[in-house]
Amino acid sequence: AQSVTQLDSHVSVSEGTPVLLRCNYSSSYSPSLFWYVQHPNKGLQLLLKYTSAATLVKGINGFEAEFKKSETSFHLTKPSAHMSDAAEYFCVVGDSAGSARQLTFGSGTQLTVLP
Amino acid sequence: GAVVSQHPSWVICKSGTSVKIECRSLDFQATTMFWYRQFPKQSLMLMATSNEGSKATYEQGVEKDKFLINHASLTLSTLTVTSAHPEDSSFYICSALPDSILYEQYFGPGTRLTVT
Repeated sequence: AQSVTQLDSHVSVSEGTPVLLRCNYSSSYSPSLFWYVQHPNKGLQLLLKYTSAATLVKGINGFEAEFKKSETSFHLTKPSAHMSDAAEYFCVVGDSAGSARQLTFGSGTQLTVLP
Repeated sequence: GAVVSQHPSWVICKSGTSVKIECRSLDFQATTMFWYRQFPKQSLMLMATSNEGSKATYEQGVEKDKFLINHASLTLSTLTVTSAHPEDSSFYICSALPDSILYEQYFGPGTRLTVT
């Protein structure tokens, strides 16, 4: 069984400051991990994914995440927030490193970017 | 590549009627597709796994007679909400698992269903 916990339901940052969205996972196997972003009334857009290759994963729009097995974490970061980054972010764990047949979604983190 | 479309994007129907939502993989084949439901300001919940040529697998608590799923081809899955009621109002999102890439699901843009 797998699970994922997003530690913050809301995060607020000022434009131009760093972003940190926290995610912890639990999995019986070496997992695949994903971060998705969802803008209001829109579908999901993949930001980045970890599938057992490099532990530091770079994604789109300047986002990156580091897989830390010892801490069972996969936190999402960005050096400098943009107004357009305001959205809902979901951390997702897959059933294994090479499979996304069974995905478990975190509860989501709403990111607000202040001018 | 790897685009998934949904139709309609938004639908309003009267209580007691049925609504069909289509999910298509535009440029790849997908033996397996998934249907999720999302309530306002909440996460996605998997409703069912749709398998081409066989019956869908429903998650616990999802009424299979209410949410009919048909996966008639490798590029099309449909979700029919039968005898819809206001509590069925929600955002429905499908995804597809490409047969050639089993480590990532590709998501559709979602369908907003409002039952009056």
